[in-house]
Amino acid sequence: SYELTQPPSVSVSPGQTASITCSGDNLGDKYACWYQQKAGQSPVLVIYQDNKRPSGIPERFSGSNSGNTATLTISGTQAMDEADYYCQAWDPNTADVVFGGGTKLTVL
Amino acid sequence: QITLKESGPTLVKPTQTLTLTCTFSGFALSTSGVGVGWIRQPPGKALEWLVLVFWDDDKRYSPSLKSRLTITRDTSRNQVVLTMTNMDPVDTATYYCAHRKVGVGGYYFDYWGQGTLVTVSS
Repeated sequence: SYELTQPPSVSVSPGQTASITCSGDNLGDKYACWYQQKAGQSPVLVIYQDNKRPSGIPERFSGSNSGNTATLTISGTQAMDEADYYCQAWDPNTADVVFGGGTKLTVL
Repeated sequence: QITLKESGPTLVKPTQTLTLTCTFSGFALSTSGVGVGWIRQPPGKALEWLVLVFWDDDKRYSPSLKSRLTITRDTSRNQVVLTMTNMDPVDTATYYCAHRKVGVGGYYFDYWGQGTLVTVSS
């Protein structure tokens, strides 16, 4: 089965740029998205179709997907961005949905 | 405004069948492109996709759980029902239903329910 790998944790200082990676075999050939989940809350879609932001998501959130890696970038990270982040891929060949293991972002 | 809410038992015994209902508003499951999915999350662990049902009654199941899952829809009542057989303690998780984002390539979930915690224990 297809697997997505994320680093368990990433730390960033307030105002700096945070990058969270998601790796999978030929991930660039699939569509990727990212969810933010704060403690005790349901996930929120922050990036879809590799690099698109849903309405209401701040511009500091951006995404890319190429080769075997998708990346979520948070520019000017704020304390409110501290959360778990999950990547998710959709394989157009199998129509399966797969989630990564999640990354805990800490804003120090 | 799109909302979804999960309902069902909070405690089931091993080997029992779990039935969860997702009641939604703000969209119609009969509209082209619309889909509703189920995702679960064991305590302290990652999200896991279970199943998607679409406006045309097409269904996509997680390959690893396909044999245990059934999803049905009731468009008149705006509900989607998930059934999972042969429950085990490892199935203890918060179960979410979510709306599939329409009008774009791929499957993404742009609205989520609050989730319901299901514990499997004797």
